[in-house]
Amino acid sequence: QVQLVQSGAEVKKPGASVKVSCKASGYTFTGYYMHWVRQAPGQGLEWMGWFNPNSGATDYAQQFQGRVTMTRDTSISTAYMELSRLRSDDTAVYYCARDTAALVQYVENWGQGTLVTVSS
Amino acid sequence: QSALTQPASVSGSPGQSITISCIGTSSDIGDYDYVSWYRQYPGKAPKLMIFDVTIRPSGVSNRFSGSKSGNTASLTISGLQAEDEADYYCSSYTGSNTLVFGTGTKVTVL
Repeated sequence: QVQLVQSGAEVKKPGASVKVSCKASGYTFTGYYMHWVRQAPGQGLEWMGWFNPNSGATDYAQQFQGRVTMTRDTSISTAYMELSRLRSDDTAVYYCARDTAALVQYVENWGQGTLVTVSS
Repeated sequence: QSALTQPASVSGSPGQSITISCIGTSSDIGDYDYVSWYRQYPGKAPKLMIFDVTIRPSGVSNRFSGSKSGNTASLTISGLQAEDEADYYCSSYTGSNTLVFGTGTKVTVL
């Protein structure tokens, strides 16, 4: 079955960067788009962007452009999301989420989430 | 891209039916049939409940149903049960080849 296992919780200072990993198993990693979605404490889901694990192509939500980078290592079926210039309002649970297809349609599977806390 | 609009909360008694609305625009819900719904329990990852407006994934109870009219999608939960108490989010594909999520609805079983 499809599994997305994310890296552990992180605590970062304002201005620092964080890199979250998402190891995929149970399917062909390069065959499905991947999204990153975050959820601030007590808030709703916020789409951050998608990337194509096959080509490396990306598309980021406007509010994250210039600060987010989504990459992958196909040899170990792992996706990465790096967010730079962290602010306190970046404190959130970050999810990797696999689309249902090799294009953008909808999220079918979710990772367990990674809590990133930004605090001085 | 603004978030899709959902009511903050909806409640119902066991056995009743409730409907959660999800209001978008002609650039997302109104123009595409890629509307999905997710249930999220506290501290857990969301789970897919409906995709392509009306389709239930394997294993999801037939008490959950989806529909769409114009720029508004809806999720109906019939025969409300205690286990249905959770947060629910809608999502849609957009004309910019991106996804957008709803603001979320807390369902309370009275």
